[in-house]
This record gives sequence, structure tokens and C-alpha cells, in this order.
Amino acid sequence: DGGITQSPKYLFRKEGQNVTLSCEQNLNHDAMYWYRQDPGQGLRLIYYSQIVNDFQKGDIAEGYSVSREKKESFPLTVTSAQKNPTAFYLCAFGGNTDTQYFGPGTRLTVL
Amino acid sequence: AQSVSQHNHHVILSEAASLELGCNYSYGGTVNLFWYVQYPGQHLQLLLKYFSGDPLVKGIKGFEAEFIKSKFSFNLRKPSVQWSDTAEYFCAVIPMNSGGYQKVTFGTGTKLQVIP
Repeated sequence: DGGITQSPKYLFRKEGQNVTLSCEQNLNHDAMYWYRQDPGQGLRLIYYSQIVNDFQKGDIAEGYSVSREKKESFPLTVTSAQKNPTAFYLCAFGGNTDTQYFGPGTRLTVL
Repeated sequence: AQSVSQHNHHVILSEAASLELGCNYSYGGTVNLFWYVQYPGQHLQLLLKYFSGDPLVKGIKGFEAEFIKSKFSFNLRKPSVQWSDTAEYFCAVIPMNSGGYQKVTFGTGTKLQVIP
């Protein structure tokens, strides 16, 4: 799995519901990231965390929340405030000036 | 704000054809440059990267990229593509500012379809 797992692979949510996407890494990296991938828009940074108990907003943080209580875990919650949540979500770890290593992604569909 | 442009959104080539995918960025200072690839059903993964030194960088699977500082470009090339190169390719740039978090910016991606 390349040291990083995301679950579930597919997720369906009704409008108005919050949903949490899991991201776990077992390579003891400090920095972790959440991206959103939409067709024709590339990857956009939602949140990042450089150390346990600390995280920062990325470019499109509105409607999302994260926590970093453990080094290996960086869950993302898509709240009902996110106006267009249907997308492919990618979690990554790695140095902030070097290569990032991505998980397999979670495809979220809002019904 | 920095930006990364990939002008080719969808490229279709026959096997054995040569490939060049364009990538231009807007940041004027020192940058770290990357090409990532996303094969169908697989993780996004690193293809090659450039930090400094020889501006012609070789990556996996016969890919190479050339950094031309004066053109703010980092184009990806492969002399002869294979069907297995069908994937989406992303250029990424990290500006090397002094201090603080160095934000990576991704291009919008180029879908390459190779026809047998």
C-alpha cells in the first residue's frame, strides 16, 4: 500500500450529512496533506499538518475540518457546509519541499 | 499567486509516437519541479523531479523533462510512447521561499491516451 491507506474507496452521502474520510500512514512522517481532485482542475490543497496537534488551512478549506491527534492519522470531515462535496479526495505525506506520496483516494458522491 | 499551466488537456497518440507535454509556471524565484503520473486505478506517483543541477532530468519508464529557466518551463518528454503510458500527468511546482511552509501548486493535468 506504499505506507498510506485511505478508506473507504467509495462513499455516498446524503445532502446535509457530515462524513469523515480516513487517512493512515505507517512510515512515521510528520507532514500530511489532504487534496481534492476534480476533472480539469488538478489537485487543490484542503488542509495540511506538519506536526501532531497542529494543522493549517490550504486553498479550499471552507466546509472541511481535520484533526491530527496521532502522528499516523489525519482524518478529513466533509461537512454539510461544503457546497459541492462530490469529488475525489487524496491524502498524502512527505516533505513540504520534496516528493509527496499519495494514498489510493476516496471518491465521495453526494446524492 | 503562483500558477502552473498545462496547456494540453487531452492528448491522443499512437504507440511509438513521441510525446511532449508542456508545463509552465509563474513564480520568478527558485523552484522545485515535479511530474506526477496517475495510471488508471492506481495511486498518484512521482515520475521525476528537478531541484538543481543538470536541467535535463531522467525519470522512470523512459520519461525525461527539461527545465528551461528563461521560459519558466518544465516540459515532459518521451521518445516513443507505449499503450501502458496511458494515464493522467500532473506538473507540480514548489517555490523555495525563505522560511515557512512551501506550498506546492499542481497543474490541471493532461490525460494521455495511447492507441495500440
